[in-house]
Amino acid sequence: SAVISQKPSRDICQRGTSLTIQCQVDSQVTMMFWYRQQPGQSLTLIATANQGSEATYESGFVIDKFPISRPNLTFSTLTVSNMSPEDSSIYLCSVGGFTDTQYFGPGTRLTVL
Amino acid sequence: GESVGLHLPTLSVQEGDNSIINCAYSNSASDYFIWYKQESGKGPQFIIDIRSNMDKRQGQRVTVLLNKTVKHLSLQIAATQPGDSAVYFCAEIPLTGRRALTFGSGTRLQVQP
Repeated sequence: SAVISQKPSRDICQRGTSLTIQCQVDSQVTMMFWYRQQPGQSLTLIATANQGSEATYESGFVIDKFPISRPNLTFSTLTVSNMSPEDSSIYLCSVGGFTDTQYFGPGTRLTVL
Repeated sequence: GESVGLHLPTLSVQEGDNSIINCAYSNSASDYFIWYKQESGKGPQFIIDIRSNMDKRQGQRVTVLLNKTVKHLSLQIAATQPGDSAVYFCAEIPLTGRRALTFGSGTRLQVQP
């Protein structure tokens, strides 16, 4: 499976600010996804990061709040904009290919004060 | 690290016993299923997967059973070890549409030495 890293691993941010999370993969992958895991909860898909085009967002998530970039087949970023304490979560990227199996990064633990 | 699944159902077993973790899925059109293990402070780790044309698949110490009639998935862990203590999630991908995962709510497995 691919080796996936995320930066930062954790951060504490002030409300109203923005944080950009990076996801780097050690090999080219077809699919990249971003998930949110709120405290004590399961994972919820935010969006599919599409290489060279706009991300595909799930219901309840919008581009203005969670802009995503995917400039190539090994890298993606997720920005959490204008943060509030409700955005405190673990943000995870995952990668997949034609087999549908997805592998996850270690996550970014965000606390908004 | 942060606690995952603070309010999840918990299965407590003795070391050496077999564990069975259950999952009910909602989409009868799902054709691919994965079990993930998530330890505190880490991202979900792939355990085993199964496609809808199968009803059983075995890995090392783990077996996944799929009952499409009642939309039920189970993960069996043989000879459970303290290192198996974690939160376990099932996830599904529907046959049509985007190939992204929908996660179940999760089960915390506690292995007593």
